[in-house]
Amino acid sequence: DIQMTQSPSSLSASVGDRVTVTCRASQSISKYLNWYQQKPGKAPKLLIYAASSLQSGVPSRFSGSGSGTDFTLTISSLQPEDLATYYCQQSYSTPLFTFGPGTKVDLK
Amino acid sequence: QLQLQESGPGLAKPSETLSLTCSVSGGSINRSRYYWAWIRQPPGKGLEWIGSIYYSGSTYYSPSLKSRVTISVDTSKNQFSLKLSSVTVADTAVYYCATLDTRGWFDYWGQGTLVTVSS
Repeated sequence: DIQMTQSPSSLSASVGDRVTVTCRASQSISKYLNWYQQKPGKAPKLLIYAASSLQSGVPSRFSGSGSGTDFTLTISSLQPEDLATYYCQQSYSTPLFTFGPGTKVDLK
Repeated sequence: QLQLQESGPGLAKPSETLSLTCSVSGGSINRSRYYWAWIRQPPGKGLEWIGSIYYSGSTYYSPSLKSRVTISVDTSKNQFSLKLSSVTVADTAVYYCATLDTRGWFDYWGQGTLVTVSS
């Protein structure tokens, strides 16, 4: 099984800050990595697919990078509406999938 | 724009079978681009993929749940369903249905439905 870890588990940042969330896979997954945003009480929303491709309609302040085992989600300038929990998900082991444990982003 | 809506009982008793249905609108479930998936989230915890089905009926299940899960599709009703047998309190969660793009990401989600397992 491919295990996913995320760091940090939570972070506090100010509006306008650059925020970085890291996701690590237990083995190389090439670029088969996707990112989701989940706001409280809502369903997750796809932000980034295939490690670095921005889903249609997602603000350009979100970006993804990485390959192999280490991946990064970056918010270039944090906005109040970005307060949420962010999950990574690997699709290398298709048709089996695993999510990371999540990183909660809140306001300092 | 696809829309998905979960429905089913919000309460299940231990040892019974949890049954949920996802109704798809805005497009046909016979779309070759998508699988149809169930994902759950225990209160305050992370996301867990349960399983997926293709419109042809091919199914894929999480190894940890495989012995208790059945996912089926009804193309005539544009719906797919989840059955989880022998439930325990650990199966209490918000259950989401979602589209699974054949390239490996979940792009449309239902709003989720909370199922509580309690006697």
